[in-house]
Amino acid sequence: DVKVTQSSRYLVKRTGEKVFLECVQDMDHENMFWYRQDPGLGLRLIYFSYDVKMKEKGDIPEGYSVSREKKERFSLILESASTNQTSMYLCACDGTGEETQYFGPGTRLLVL
Amino acid sequence: GQNIDQPTEMTATEGAIVQINCTYQTSGFNGLFWYQQHAGEAPTFLSYNVLDGLEEKGRFSSFLSRSKGYSYLLLKELQMKDSASYLCALPQDDYKLSFGAGTTVTVRA
Repeated sequence: DVKVTQSSRYLVKRTGEKVFLECVQDMDHENMFWYRQDPGLGLRLIYFSYDVKMKEKGDIPEGYSVSREKKERFSLILESASTNQTSMYLCACDGTGEETQYFGPGTRLLVL
Repeated sequence: GQNIDQPTEMTATEGAIVQINCTYQTSGFNGLFWYQQHAGEAPTFLSYNVLDGLEEKGRFSSFLSRSKGYSYLLLKELQMKDSASYLCALPQDDYKLSFGAGTTVTVRA
């Protein structure tokens, strides 16, 4: 079974803080994704990466950056957290020939 | 781009059947996914349809009509544990998925 882990389940930060959300997958998958999920809006893609050191903007990249230094790890960075970034953040991965994306458990971030 | 529409909420009784519709508009079709997501948990894969017709997996079935831009997820013999959100998703390209807002199904005793 594919295992996708995220560094925190719940996180509380203050406005202006720099926030790191870590995601690790154990299946050697090439592609990794960061989504945020908000009520009524569904999952929206922030960034994705199809290889080490490669990154592509998703639908809502503003206010975020990412890092993929190793194949198994994909980090989401909030350079200066704002209250409108309070959300559930989900990491996912998939690989060549895979039928689906596999999701991590999510990080519920509250920015005060 | 893609437009994906599904109802916001549905309520049904234990043992009943519920059908969750998903309509979409897309410039290129590469299949349609259904995911289940329990509150506070990660989405988990239910089905993937790329050809027209009905695919059955136990109590859950998924139907696709590409010409109509329409899919549905059918949940039979509902159980309390089926209370969850059900997400319809379409691949945008080789990498990305676009998700509908999700349908929250509440199963009542």
